[in-house]
Amino acid sequence: EAGVVQSPRYKIIEKKQPVAFWCNPISGHNTLYWYRQNLGQGPELLIRYENEEAVDDSQLPKDRFSAERLKGVDSTLKIQPAELGDSAVYLCASSLGDRGSGNTIYFGEGSWLTVV
Amino acid sequence: GNSVTQMEGPVTLSEEAFLTINCTYTATGYPSLFWYVQYPGEGLQLLLKATKADDKGSNKGFEATYRKETTSFHLEKGSVQVSDSAVYFCALSDMYSGGGADGLTFGKGTHLIIQP
Repeated sequence: EAGVVQSPRYKIIEKKQPVAFWCNPISGHNTLYWYRQNLGQGPELLIRYENEEAVDDSQLPKDRFSAERLKGVDSTLKIQPAELGDSAVYLCASSLGDRGSGNTIYFGEGSWLTVV
Repeated sequence: GNSVTQMEGPVTLSEEAFLTINCTYTATGYPSLFWYVQYPGEGLQLLLKATKADDKGSNKGFEATYRKETTSFHLEKGSVQVSDSAVYFCALSDMYSGGGADGLTFGKGTHLIIQP
């Protein structure tokens, strides 16, 4: 079974330019997450979806970040315009949302963003 | 709020040494606990998990026991290998707060270096 798929793996852009990341979760996983991981730090949650509904976006910088999950499957995270401080790894993850199993969350390989 | 504290790295050991990486947590409800591993240039992989007090998670020779009385989930391995070199993240998912499947709160990560 395929895991969480993300693209692109690597992206270098100039500041003030837009960038978008795409994620395809594990089949059947209703819950989708976007995390940001800064160098030397643990991941931090940006947004969580239950199907197509964003149920927790409290940590998403809404002035420049946006996300969508049309049809409750794939998701896109966009940054416009990018700033130097946005350089990080953007991780997509998914889960069944099953509390009985401890809600195991599976991660993609990440999209590595460098803003210059 | 929820938080995870793990020992600072890097931790450098010789091959076949005994490993302990300490992790303690603070949670408002009844969390599930996880250890994730991140190899260089890769995304996060689930290493092991425990969903309730006194549960022991194990995988690939690694073990961790959910200790509610000490709010700890220390990672151990009896004999490490060079291939275990990676960054290890302790994390919790709180099953009490909010509705649906909650996201993960991560520690800052511990960089493990195993020398031949």
